Order: sequence, then C-alpha cells, then structure tokens
Amino acid sequence: EAQVTQNPRYLITVTGKKLTVTCSQNMNHEYMSWYRQDPGLGLRQIYYSMNVEVTDKGDVPEGYKVSRKEKRNFPLILESPSPNQTSLYFCASSPRVRSREQYFGPGTRLTVT
Amino acid sequence: GESVGLHLPTLSVQEGDNSIINCAYSNSASDYFIWYKQESGKGPQFIIDIRSNMDKRQGQRVTVLLNKTVKHLSLQIAATQPGDSAVYFCAETITNDYKLSFGAGTTVTVRA
Repeated sequence: EAQVTQNPRYLITVTGKKLTVTCSQNMNHEYMSWYRQDPGLGLRQIYYSMNVEVTDKGDVPEGYKVSRKEKRNFPLILESPSPNQTSLYFCASSPRVRSREQYFGPGTRLTVT
Repeated sequence: GESVGLHLPTLSVQEGDNSIINCAYSNSASDYFIWYKQESGKGPQFIIDIRSNMDKRQGQRVTVLLNKTVKHLSLQIAATQPGDSAVYFCAETITNDYKLSFGAGTTVTVRA
C-alpha cells in the first residue's frame, strides 16, 4: 500500500531531551516536507526537501533539524525540545518538487513538559 | 509574510444541502490554490486545485471558484454527505517556490 508512515504516533517528553520523529514514504517521491498543526493556525511548514541531500527551511524552522540521506526517509529532529514545540506534526511527500498534491502521514502528537 | 486565511472557522450544513467554504488570500504572487480535507485523526488529503489563470474548476461533487479581483477562493460541495464532515484547508503556492502555505481551516459539520 502506497503510504507515508510516521513514528511514533504519540510522544510525551521533557524539556531538553533530544528526540527524533521518523518519516518514511514508499512511493519513490522526490519531495518531502514537515508541518506542524496548531489550533487556529492551520498547518505551518517547518522544513522541506526537494531530493536526497537537498533541504531548505519552511516558515517555522527554529528549533528543528532535518536530514535526507535516503529518498524514502525524512526524519525530524528536535535537539532540545521546549514546551512551545508541543504540537501535532505531519510529514508529507509528493511525486514532483512543485506538485500541489501532497500525501500526508497520519501525524505525530508531541507533548513537551 | 502574507498568508492564506479563511472567513469562518466553523460551518454547519444540513445533509443534502450544498456547502460553500470561503477563503481569502493576500499574496497576489500566488499562482496555484489548493483545497485539502482533513478528517478527524488523519492527515490532510488533497481535494482539488486551481491555477490563477482560471476562474472555476470542477471535480467530483466539488467546485472551486477563484476571484482574483477580491483575492477570494471558495470550495462548493454539492449534496453534502456525512462523510464530508471534516476540516477544510485552503493553501497557496507559487510556481517557482517549493513551499505550500495553508490557511487556518474551516470545520464543516453535517447535520443528519
């Protein structure tokens, strides 16, 4: 089944404890992206990647890191999580770099205490 | 920066009626506008998009209208069904950009 998977789906952690949220797609898509969703703010783009080893900042990159060493994987790294990073995170992919149709994963709900 | 927004955060619709979801945008450089649907507990799902040189585009039971004069976008859903209950997001992008900017979303509830 063609899909975007994220792990973990739920995570509660403490301030300052490094964490990684994994994202993987099995559709051979070029483009991958991370969003965070907060009430009343919609989805805001954190980082995106046009291809392997090519990444760039979205609208809210502060406090996050990403890497794209393989085409299928695009992990989101929080080196020192803070409570304001408590949010619902979505990974998405699309077949072409400028495709408007993105395929979203199921989401990861992160709570930082 | 400029952002995409929605007129109303919630919309309640009687089953079988037509729904109209509105969106206002402010970035005149945007040349594609997209609608996504997010069901409870799931990630957003692409519905339909429209290029800025078009006024109207139809899909299956959905129609998107674009009014560039007033920077307004709408999604019309015909014969609304219970499965249409979801949060609807409009988004915009620029052809030579790699980013997608989303609005805040409208929650649609279908009454039986």
